[in-house]
Amino acid sequence: GQQLNQSPQSMFIQEGEDVSMNCTSSSIFNTWLWYKQDPGEGPVLLIALYKAGELTSNGRLTAQFGITRKDSFLNISASIPSDVGIYFCASAGGTSYGKLTFGQGTILTVHP
Amino acid sequence: DTGVSQNPRHKITKRGQNVTFRCDPISEHNRLYWYRQTLGQGPEFLTYFQNEAQLEKSRLLSDRFSAERPKGSFSTLEIQRTEQGDSAMYLCASSSLTSGGHQETQYFGPGTRLLVL
Repeated sequence: GQQLNQSPQSMFIQEGEDVSMNCTSSSIFNTWLWYKQDPGEGPVLLIALYKAGELTSNGRLTAQFGITRKDSFLNISASIPSDVGIYFCASAGGTSYGKLTFGQGTILTVHP
Repeated sequence: DTGVSQNPRHKITKRGQNVTFRCDPISEHNRLYWYRQTLGQGPEFLTYFQNEAQLEKSRLLSDRFSAERPKGSFSTLEIQRTEQGDSAMYLCASSSLTSGGHQETQYFGPGTRLLVL
């Protein structure tokens, strides 16, 4: 089935550093979404991307939908302790709608 | 609060028992999804509804699992004869189509964590 390869699996950074994570796939997708999940909670939407090449920001977060429609990245600038959590990329398939396929997640730890 | 809600948040049951979870989507959303998430993994799709119609089911959804959305609003997910392998977080998400039906964003509830002993 469709799979997303998300990297890195984990990151340990100092407060104030910038962070970058990405997702790649062998399949073409029409939607890329980035979520953050805290322990014991559901994923919270950070950024949604709908067009190839689209670059979108949400505060200190920036994400891009790759031109090939097979990849996306998420950047976090000037990290703070509350950025700690698990970040997931997710995509909707070639039919545009419906079920999401998720990456394996990136565990982010921020040291004060 | 107009977000997606799920009940219960936690459920502990003995193997062989039946359990039922409820999801209340965002009120104007006509699409509702169920996902399952095990420790260290991303959520995996189980099934989805458009209004009251169940349009797709994953192969993960064995015949012990059944989902309903009788009036196109809330949904229930029932697991019969639970097994230890059913232990997981069960997530519900809802969405609606925008921009002429070309954009869809799913919003998740807090999940129901199931532990089967």
